[in-house]
Amino acid sequence: DQQVKQNSPSLSVQEGRISILNCDYTNSMFDYFLWYKKYPAEGPTFLISISSIKDKNEDGRFTVFLNKSAKHLSLHIVPSQPGDSAVYFCAATPGNQFYFGTGTSLTVIP
Amino acid sequence: DGGITQSPKYLFRKEGQNVTLSCEQNLNHDAMYWYRQDPGQGLRLIYYSQIVNDFQKGDIAEGYSVSREKKESFPLTVTSAQKNPTAFYLCASSSGTRVYAGELFFGEGSRLTVL
Repeated sequence: DQQVKQNSPSLSVQEGRISILNCDYTNSMFDYFLWYKKYPAEGPTFLISISSIKDKNEDGRFTVFLNKSAKHLSLHIVPSQPGDSAVYFCAATPGNQFYFGTGTSLTVIP
Repeated sequence: DGGITQSPKYLFRKEGQNVTLSCEQNLNHDAMYWYRQDPGQGLRLIYYSQIVNDFQKGDIAEGYSVSREKKESFPLTVTSAQKNPTAFYLCASSSGTRVYAGELFFGEGSRLTVL
């Protein structure tokens, strides 16, 4: 059973606009959440994370929001750039292992 | 440079053969993981190890085996019992069992194709 879900397989955004990627989870024991970016035939690279004691974390153009009551997190990218085009995975952990969503393929159109 | 090295990057295997994928890290991380990625699916956990000489099955461990004899190394063997082994395999490590201060670091991946 998929404990972390990314319901949008793909997203297209114009350069300079905001990209919003969404992620839902079911396990209330998850206490740390992460976003990874992945290019084809490469390993994922870490983008940003958030602990369950926070509801927002910002790093440059990337902001992650966590809504614990809704078991929902989102990644905002502002402004979006063509180099942001990649597959984005959200992940969650209760401490001993990580659970990943199925990914959202983001295309930023110049 | 610190990091995770996976080898080989590409591997072809005939049906019925076992194959071992190498994963080495010099990050001094305690925990290591193996994931499998298939098209349209997320990363699925095969095995993980939080300490030397100990490892646990993940969600899709059937047909795979691992060992953790050294902190730096966590090889994955894809056995002939794995019914659909063609996939992209990712090795990762993290600094410990509690990861508030860290995150998973991934290798570049190994693409296994069964002919």
